Amino acid sequence: DGGITQSPKYLFRKEGQNVTLSCEQNLNHDAMYWYRQDPGQGLRLIYYSQIVNDFQKGDIAEGYSVSREKKESFPLTVTSAQKNPTAFYLCASSADRGRDNEQFFGPGTRLTVL
Amino acid sequence: RKEVEQDPGPFNVPEGATVAFNCTYSNSASQSFFWYRQDCRKEPKLLMSVYSSGNEDGRFTAQLNRASQYISLLIRDSKLSDSATYLCVVTLLNTGNQFYFGTGTSLTVIP
Repeated sequence: DGGITQSPKYLFRKEGQNVTLSCEQNLNHDAMYWYRQDPGQGLRLIYYSQIVNDFQKGDIAEGYSVSREKKESFPLTVTSAQKNPTAFYLCASSADRGRDNEQFFGPGTRLTVL
Repeated sequence: RKEVEQDPGPFNVPEGATVAFNCTYSNSASQSFFWYRQDCRKEPKLLMSVYSSGNEDGRFTAQLNRASQYISLLIRDSKLSDSATYLCVVTLLNTGNQFYFGTGTSLTVIP
């Protein structure tokens, strides 16, 4: 079955540690996205990538880094520079087909910083 | 100013009721519009795209008013399974299909 997978589902980290969240898709989509969702808030864009080896900052990129070495994979690293990393992280992908590009979401990773 | 504004609710309605959500957007260059549904602690999933002519999918009707810059979602004959948060989404021209999300409207359908 085609889809997007994220791992792990739950992640606990000590303050000051970097952590990498995995996102893989087998939909053959060109574009991939990382969002953060906090309680009672909408999704906010962290980074996005429209093509392999290229990515752009979203609205809240500070304290995060990404790579896009393969079309299928778009890992997100939450660095120790991110002040409030505890959140629900969602990865999404979309095909490059003009208008109405639905974004498909993975199941998310809940990160808690202890 | 936020790109997308939604009434967060919560909306608590009895089964069988009709409920409507509105969403306003600030940028007149907004290109595409969607309603997503998000269940508690799950990922958002596309409910329906919103077209200028309006569109209907079973009990759900979405409408777009470009002049007033708002979109709406109407749910008829509410079911218990409709309980969720409904997210309004817009995209802007030439932004690489970036989605701008509203904060979501919470709906609980009561038996």
